[in-house]
Amino acid sequence: KQEVTQIPAALSVPEGENLVLNCSFTDSAIYNLQWFRQDPGKGLTSLLLIQSSQREQTSGRLNASLDKSSGRSTLYIAASQPGDSATYLCAVPFTSGTYKYIFGTGTRLKVLA
Amino acid sequence: EPEVTQTPSHQVTQMGQEVILRCVPISNHLYFYWYRQILGQKVEFLVSFYNNEISEKSEIFDDQFSVERPDGSNFTLKIRSTKLEDSAMYFCASNNRGPDTQYFGPGTRLTVL
Repeated sequence: KQEVTQIPAALSVPEGENLVLNCSFTDSAIYNLQWFRQDPGKGLTSLLLIQSSQREQTSGRLNASLDKSSGRSTLYIAASQPGDSATYLCAVPFTSGTYKYIFGTGTRLKVLA
Repeated sequence: EPEVTQTPSHQVTQMGQEVILRCVPISNHLYFYWYRQILGQKVEFLVSFYNNEISEKSEIFDDQFSVERPDGSNFTLKIRSTKLEDSAMYFCASNNRGPDTQYFGPGTRLTVL
């Protein structure tokens, strides 16, 4: 059974800092991993999807890496801005061959102006 | 850009009442999902739907829940007799192929009194 853990649970940084959010999962037989952003009381916005054959994906100031063998993914945010303040969730398939996601508890990020 | 929509944004109901949550997935998508998030907790998978039938469901998705695609555009989640513990944010998601990015709607906040 897949379990997903995100560290840290909360993070507060000054504007302009580069930061790393961590996601670990117990079952490495995944076909993808997806990172989401959730603003308070709002829905889930997909940020990046990494297929199992990829090691990283980039979108603007965001870079996500995947190391299946160690069961880890990181989300790197460059030059953080106050608008990046949100909760960041990672999600992986429950087990191999299924499309339902197991979500981590998230990292609540606050970027101070 | 196409997006998943959900109505209503907020539903308040009395315990024991039936509720129907509505979703309009992205038009060319074939896989549909419902997730829920109890306040302060993880996003949890409820059910996935493909080719007009349930493809997977979680332990949460008991006989009180049902899903339907009544026409070519809507995807609904029905809770027959709501309980206090059904209070949560319910998210609909869709994608074109199972392993692809899942696109989430803004959610319906269900409050059971």
